Amino acid sequence: GESVGLHLPTLSVQEGDNSIINCAYSNSASDYFIWYKQESGKGPQFIIDIRSNMDKRQGQRVTVLLNKTVKHLSLQIAATQPGDSAVYFCAGPLTGGTSYGKLTFGQGTILTVHP
Amino acid sequence: DTGVSQNPRHKITKRGQNVTFRCDPISEHNRLYWYRQTLGQGPEFLTYFQNEAQLEKSRLLSDRFSAERPKGSFSTLEIQRTEQGDSAMYLCASSKQLMRAGSYTDTQYFGPGTRLTVL
Repeated sequence: GESVGLHLPTLSVQEGDNSIINCAYSNSASDYFIWYKQESGKGPQFIIDIRSNMDKRQGQRVTVLLNKTVKHLSLQIAATQPGDSAVYFCAGPLTGGTSYGKLTFGQGTILTVHP
Repeated sequence: DTGVSQNPRHKITKRGQNVTFRCDPISEHNRLYWYRQTLGQGPEFLTYFQNEAQLEKSRLLSDRFSAERPKGSFSTLEIQRTEQGDSAMYLCASSKQLMRAGSYTDTQYFGPGTRLTVL
């Protein structure tokens, strides 16, 4: 069935390094993806999104890359800081078109940034 | 703070009791979603509303669960006859469709969640 999943469950980096978190999806009809950051005891926090008509989108210190050919997207965090330590989820709607509803979330990647 | 708010933040109850959670969405967001999250997992969709209409319910939403959004603003999620397996974080999110670069986006913004523990 359709799914959105992650390659690596944990990622440890040194402060100042760049981090890359990966996500694979199986539904070729998925045309909108969101990255969320979730800190312990809190709800998911929106980071950045991307539509399937784009290959790349940049935000503040973050970049999302989308490869529709292999159904893969990644989140790149530049100059990672200890405050970036959290669980990161990619998510996408199962239904495409202009009406979005439920999101399907991957298992999540735990990012740990060491000072 | 104009984000999504949820109350209570924590709820401890005994098995068999009924519980009700409230979600206040971001003002003017017409869509409201409920998700459930267990430890180590991503959120799982339960149900969502567009205005006051409940448009979709997950198979996860058993007959013991009911959600309402009577005036298209805040929403309540009630669990009757709670079971230990209902212990989880219940998350609410809201969204509003926006046109951006010629396409619609419908970004969901989440509240802090209600942590339910069923003893």
